[in-house]
Amino acid sequence: SAVISQKPSRDICQRGTSLTIQCQVDSQVTMMFWYRQQPGQSLTLIATANQGSEATYESGFVIDKFPISRPNLTFSTLTVSNMSPEDSSIYLCSVSGSGELFFGEGSRLTVL
Amino acid sequence: QKEVEQDPGPLSVPEGAIVSLNCTYSNSAFQYFMWYRQYSRKGPELLMYTYSSGNKEDGRFTAQVDKSSKYISLFIRDSQPSDSATYLCAMSDGGGFKTIFGAGTRLFVKA
Repeated sequence: SAVISQKPSRDICQRGTSLTIQCQVDSQVTMMFWYRQQPGQSLTLIATANQGSEATYESGFVIDKFPISRPNLTFSTLTVSNMSPEDSSIYLCSVSGSGELFFGEGSRLTVL
Repeated sequence: QKEVEQDPGPLSVPEGAIVSLNCTYSNSAFQYFMWYRQYSRKGPELLMYTYSSGNKEDGRFTAQVDKSSKYISLFIRDSQPSDSATYLCAMSDGGGFKTIFGAGTRLFVKA
């Protein structure tokens, strides 16, 4: 199993600002995943973060809006840029192990 | 059409009831089927994991997969208030790297 810590757990942000979410894992992992969970909608993969290379983004998500850093094998950040109310959501960091996904507790963002 | 369809509920049942949660999917390449449980203000946690068709039982929980109908189910027997959570079905074609989730069903078990 993996223990994943995310910061911040929640935040209220103003339209047009940017916020960076941090994800720390208690073991070294090759890939880290960032998901978005909007009310009433499916948990949706934003991107896969690989250490030492550019993140791979899913359809509908772009690097300019969601820049990701992966400086080492236990840490990653996701930035939500130029936020609008539509970005209000829970953002979850995840890692894979033995066919199972492990998740952090999520970062709940509210954009006013 | 969404790849995975799941009724978001909410579903409210009395304690001790049998709960049936379901998902349908469209991609016949899916081989791995999972149920995650998510408590309020927490991340999802894996509850059940099934490969291909068939049933799997773990205590009060039974997962069923019918690949011919592209239909998966989770049954909870003798439901408890502590089972109150959101249940997300999930599936992948292998490796866990590209897992597709349903929207989740909110379950409330009343004491």
